[in-house]
Amino acid sequence: NAGVMQNPRHLVRRRGQEARLRCSPMKGHSHVYWYRQLPEEGLKFMVYLQKENIIDESGMPKERFSAEFPKEGPSILRIQQVVRGDSAAYFCASSPPDRTGELFFGEGSRLTVL
Amino acid sequence: KQEVTQIPAALSVPEGENLVLNCSFTDSAIYNLQWFRQDPGKGLTSLLLIQSSQREQTSGRLNASLDKSSGRSTLYIAASQPGDSATYLCALPPDSGGYQKVTFGTGTKLQVIP
Repeated sequence: NAGVMQNPRHLVRRRGQEARLRCSPMKGHSHVYWYRQLPEEGLKFMVYLQKENIIDESGMPKERFSAEFPKEGPSILRIQQVVRGDSAAYFCASSPPDRTGELFFGEGSRLTVL
Repeated sequence: KQEVTQIPAALSVPEGENLVLNCSFTDSAIYNLQWFRQDPGKGLTSLLLIQSSQREQTSGRLNASLDKSSGRSTLYIAASQPGDSATYLCALPPDSGGYQKVTFGTGTKLQVIP
């Protein structure tokens, strides 16, 4: 049973370009969460999705950021017109539909904006 | 609003020592408490999950306890090894469930010296 898979692991973009980060949850998991970690800081919640639904996007900036979790395929976090302040590690986590609430994380995607 | 504090922020010990990491929280209405380790440049690896009705969990050399009434959890590491060097994080979702509201501690950075 593969863990949470994220790609790319590292992404370099110039200011103004778009970044697309992908996350495949663990098999059988229907809940996906995206977090951002700035250097030397803790994890901050961005968005919570279930298949084809955004449940909570209260932690995601309203401009330039969007997320989706289609019926088929991975969840995608999209950042348009990236700025230097977007440089961070973006982590995806998934949890099973049961009530244990245990979170499983991917290895993260490290975005560097030049 | 839940506030989570981890003390100490950093810890350096010689190999073989037993050690205790602390996690304090202000709101006892938690769903569960999960301890993670994060290696540099990596994602979070789940170590132990304690349900709110439990008092402790054990896995190998690790033992985690939970005292909701005092708002504290401790992670005990026995016979520490250099491979234990990492940042240790506690995470607490609210009793309503849902990791969109989870609060992460800022972590304890552990270094075990050979």
